[in-house]
Amino acid sequence: NAGVMQNPRHLVRRRGQEARLRCSPMKGHSHVYWYRQLPEEGLKFMVYLQKENIIDESGMPKERFSAEFPKEGPSILRIQQVVRGDSAAYFCASSPGTLGYSPLHFGNGTRLTVT
Amino acid sequence: AQTVTQSQPEMSVQEAETVTLSCTYDTSESDYYLFWYKQPPSRQMILVIRQEAYKQQNATENRFSVNFQKAAKSFSLKISDSQLGDAAMYFCAYRTPTTSGTYKYIFGTGTRLKVLA
Repeated sequence: NAGVMQNPRHLVRRRGQEARLRCSPMKGHSHVYWYRQLPEEGLKFMVYLQKENIIDESGMPKERFSAEFPKEGPSILRIQQVVRGDSAAYFCASSPGTLGYSPLHFGNGTRLTVT
Repeated sequence: AQTVTQSQPEMSVQEAETVTLSCTYDTSESDYYLFWYKQPPSRQMILVIRQEAYKQQNATENRFSVNFQKAAKSFSLKISDSQLGDAAMYFCAYRTPTTSGTYKYIFGTGTRLKVLA
């Protein structure tokens, strides 16, 4: 199954530690989106990346959060010095990025818990 | 600004009955796509159905169909013959191209559907 792979599925961090979330897009997809979902809430857009480029990071907090999608390897969402408010489910989605119909394909998400 | 509104935080339906989930959106674009995604307790986001804005015909996928009213900017999801496995959060989403040749996807806040046996 060449779906969107996210790991880890669950991540527990103490306040002040760093969290690294990984996302491998579907085969053939070069566009990756990261979303955050707080409990009982919808999906909030964070960042949109192509290979080696950040296309839109308007939804990402200016401090402590960063994302990359290198030429080789998965996309990484990094949260430095985590705080309790960062506890959420983080979803990655990918698309081929071509014009026309191309829905987002989602991973299973990473649930981050900050203690 | 483009927004997607789901005004029903929670809905209930009896098994085998029909339920309609509402979604409205705000846009000045003429070319866009609309989607319904389902998120069961497993948290997996599953594409249920899509609609191209330039198509007048409402999309249908088995027991799922949409009522797309472009002028009213309304995109409701109808689930017929509801099954226990339909219980989930349902998200309406809107996709539009940006000036840089990329896409923006905007999601509603979701409707939690409960199916009663």
